[in-house]
Amino acid sequence: QVKLVQSGAEVKSPGSSVRVSCQASGVNLNSYTVSWVRQAPGQGLEWMGGLIVIFDTANYAERLQGRVTISADVSTSTAYMELRNLRSDDSANYYCATGHSKPQWFESWGQGTLVTVAS
Amino acid sequence: SYVVTQPPSVSLAPGETATITCGGNRIVEKTVQWYLQKPGQPPVLLIFYDTNRPSGIPERFSGSNSGNTATLTIRSVEAGDEADYYCQVWDSTDERVVFGGGTKLTVL
Repeated sequence: QVKLVQSGAEVKSPGSSVRVSCQASGVNLNSYTVSWVRQAPGQGLEWMGGLIVIFDTANYAERLQGRVTISADVSTSTAYMELRNLRSDDSANYYCATGHSKPQWFESWGQGTLVTVAS
Repeated sequence: SYVVTQPPSVSLAPGETATITCGGNRIVEKTVQWYLQKPGQPPVLLIFYDTNRPSGIPERFSGSNSGNTATLTIRSVEAGDEADYYCQVWDSTDERVVFGGGTKLTVL
């Protein structure tokens, strides 16, 4: 399994953007697809999108298309998720995850990053 | 986009067998995974590719997929199995991931 370490909690204002990082330990990120999954308080899991790092090709959930960007810096084995135009219902715990690419499933998860959107 | 449905909750006594379903149109044609999530922790992969267990997952956990329903079966449930369980589907049509709404397992 890959060890994934995410950046710390964030508090953001409505309309702003947030960028969460996810560093993979001891692996070449080019070998992986990195996905982001979020979970609002007391709610279920929502897939946000995934990036096939070696091809720099991303696919996003329809409802987030246009507001989310997933990227990676292979030199530091770090993936990023940027969410723009934040709303209160974007408040959630955000996880990065890796595993099998196609079909996709998730064997390794980050610890989660809590993002709170409040005025 | 593809939709999968899980029952919100399942309750049973220790030692009984739990079955948690994941319903979707022709789900047998999809690849189904199952995860367990305990409060304050990230999910843990239990079953991949319909029926396969990662190393370290007890044999008490098994998966199946047929027709419009995929099923996670947990034999001889224990208090420690109390958690939220999620199915996850890989939709190869548009190469997107879909999660079910989750099922809360309570061991009475």
